[in-house]
Amino acid sequence: DVKVTQSSRYLVKRTGEKVFLECVQDMDHENMFWYRQDPGLGLRLIYFSYDVKMKEKGDIPEGYSVSREKKERFSLILESASTNQTSMYLCASRSGGRGGTGELFFGEGSRLTVL
Amino acid sequence: DQQVKQNSPSLSVQEGRISILNCDYTNSMFDYFLWYKKYPAEGPTFLISISSIKDKNEDGRFTVFLNKSAKHLSLHIVPSQPGDSAVYFCAASEAEFGNEKLTFGTGTRLTIIP
Repeated sequence: DVKVTQSSRYLVKRTGEKVFLECVQDMDHENMFWYRQDPGLGLRLIYFSYDVKMKEKGDIPEGYSVSREKKERFSLILESASTNQTSMYLCASRSGGRGGTGELFFGEGSRLTVL
Repeated sequence: DQQVKQNSPSLSVQEGRISILNCDYTNSMFDYFLWYKKYPAEGPTFLISISSIKDKNEDGRFTVFLNKSAKHLSLHIVPSQPGDSAVYFCAASEAEFGNEKLTFGTGTRLTIIP
């Protein structure tokens, strides 16, 4: 079974803090994604990566950056957390290259609260 | 601007009956559609998909119907079971982007009443 593991299920941070959300997948997938889920807004794509050291902006990249130094790991970084970044963050991975339509496998999510 | 809309935030259905979840989209370039299911405290899991060359796709108790002219798709669950209680998201993408750029709806919470 594919496993996508997010390092923290719950985090509480203060405004202005730097926040790292880590995601690891164990199926050698090329593509990895970060989404956030908010009530009434569904899931929105923040960033994705289709190869090591490659990244592309999603629909809402402002205030975020990402890092993909190894194929299995994709990190989401909030350089200076703000209260409007309080959300559920979901990591996903998929096999295949760009433009594929394979199934996305999601992690369990990281609920971030910024005070 | 919400390009994928799920107008019913919640739906309650008696066990054994049919559940119908609806989804509308506005972007005529969308040609690949998926449904995901999400339990509390878990990530979404893929349920079923359909491409625009089809108008129906079936997988066991789950059937997705696509009406391109109406820009509407629906998910039918027959018969509904208590384990189907979850939040269901529809999602869409343009073939050029595969599912890197999936656009999700806001979700419908389905409750199956025993």
